[in-house]
Amino acid sequence: DAGITQSPRHKVTETGTPVTLRCHQTENHRYMYWYRQDPGHGLRLIHYSYGVKDTDKGEVSDGYSVSRSKTEDFLLTLESATSSQTSVYFCAHSGALQETQYFGPGTRLLVL
Amino acid sequence: GENVEQHPSTLSVQEGDSAVIKCTYSDSASNYFPWYKQELGKGPQLIIDIRSNVGEKKDQRIAVTLNKTAKHFSLHITETQPEDSAVYFCAAISNQAGTALIFGKGTTLSVSS
Repeated sequence: DAGITQSPRHKVTETGTPVTLRCHQTENHRYMYWYRQDPGHGLRLIHYSYGVKDTDKGEVSDGYSVSRSKTEDFLLTLESATSSQTSVYFCAHSGALQETQYFGPGTRLLVL
Repeated sequence: GENVEQHPSTLSVQEGDSAVIKCTYSDSASNYFPWYKQELGKGPQLIIDIRSNVGEKKDQRIAVTLNKTAKHFSLHITETQPEDSAVYFCAAISNQAGTALIFGKGTTLSVSS
């Protein structure tokens, strides 16, 4: 157990609808991350947070927003879901940028 | 920014053989290099990591080597077992502000008994 959970684990939604994915960690770690994983692309960083209300963009941030109101929770929102956002989304946390990142179990999202 | 290339994309070995996965990175400021193992339907898990002030690190059957001059690092698994079958990812990060971990695209390792 990496001290991290994600919800929901699976979701099917329609194009144009907003979607929020939730990540919760119990390690009181400062850093949290959202990645997407697609065949042929590996893991790509969407956004990350380095503290409450402190976030920064990653490699593939277009169409996504994040919020972090508490140390333990990091939300990823797809403002208006598109089929290209069908993917597996992983959340992770770490004590520092150069410390081990602990990954959650993932959320499989299908946008129809 | 950092770019990490990983080879091969697939690797098949017989049980008991060794497996080697290689990665190259582009940012000479990168100084932390973790390796993750991902089993089907699960999130990646750290198996070993190395920092730039070390050339080699071992943990039982797993070892990682780092060549800073050539900007490449490798994962070595000896005496492979069927449970080693998984996708392996390398990654790199520098200590510069505003950077984050960049992953290679993964290697699918299959160990047949």
